[in-house]
Amino acid sequence: EVQLLESGGGLVQPGGSLRLSCAASGFTFSTYAMTWVRQAPGKGLDWVSSISGGGGGSTYYPDSVKGRFTISRDDSKNMVFLYMNSLRVDDTAVYYCAKGGGAEFDCWGQGTLVIVSS
Amino acid sequence: EIVMTQSPATLSVSPGERATLSCRASQSVSINLGWYQQKPGQAPRLLMYDTSTRGTGIPARFSGSGSGTEFTLTISSLQSEDFAVYYCQQYDKWPLTFGGGTKVEIK
Repeated sequence: EVQLLESGGGLVQPGGSLRLSCAASGFTFSTYAMTWVRQAPGKGLDWVSSISGGGGGSTYYPDSVKGRFTISRDDSKNMVFLYMNSLRVDDTAVYYCAKGGGAEFDCWGQGTLVIVSS
Repeated sequence: EIVMTQSPATLSVSPGERATLSCRASQSVSINLGWYQQKPGQAPRLLMYDTSTRGTGIPARFSGSGSGTEFTLTISSLQSEDFAVYYCQQYDKWPLTFGGGTKVEIK
């Protein structure tokens, strides 16, 4: 069974940093792209970042987070990370880890809540 | 950036009735489109990918159609568990983008 488990969310002040982690199991992690998607309270889904699989490690970001967020992966530990810097109030959201990228997302974690507030 | 527009924002349907949800792309995405279902307090779940291929375990009452810029998700006979928010998403071009969602509620 494919499972994704996010961690690392919490309360952070504007301008602060946070690292999110996603532990994957139940599939050959290294061969799949992985993605972070967020959802602000009461709002829709917003793509945050993707990283390719198969050893390529190409990364993709929307303009809204480019230069502030960094995605990475550790295939030896079946984990993907999201480093978030210069956090803003409008980055407040539930952050989901999803399997896939550049295609459909066929499995999602339960999410981790990030609150950016002073 | 490809803008995805879903309509209607809210759809009121009685159990057993048919529901038709629309998704429009601001430029062609070929058939590179997925649909997701999200229930309150839960993560999204993949319903459909490549426009018309059902995800694992998705019942046959869900069907998808379209290509280019116009897409439709049809639920042939709504069951109680189908009342949720539905999102379309294009993966033809970066940045990946989602529609704003259609909430299917009980009439």
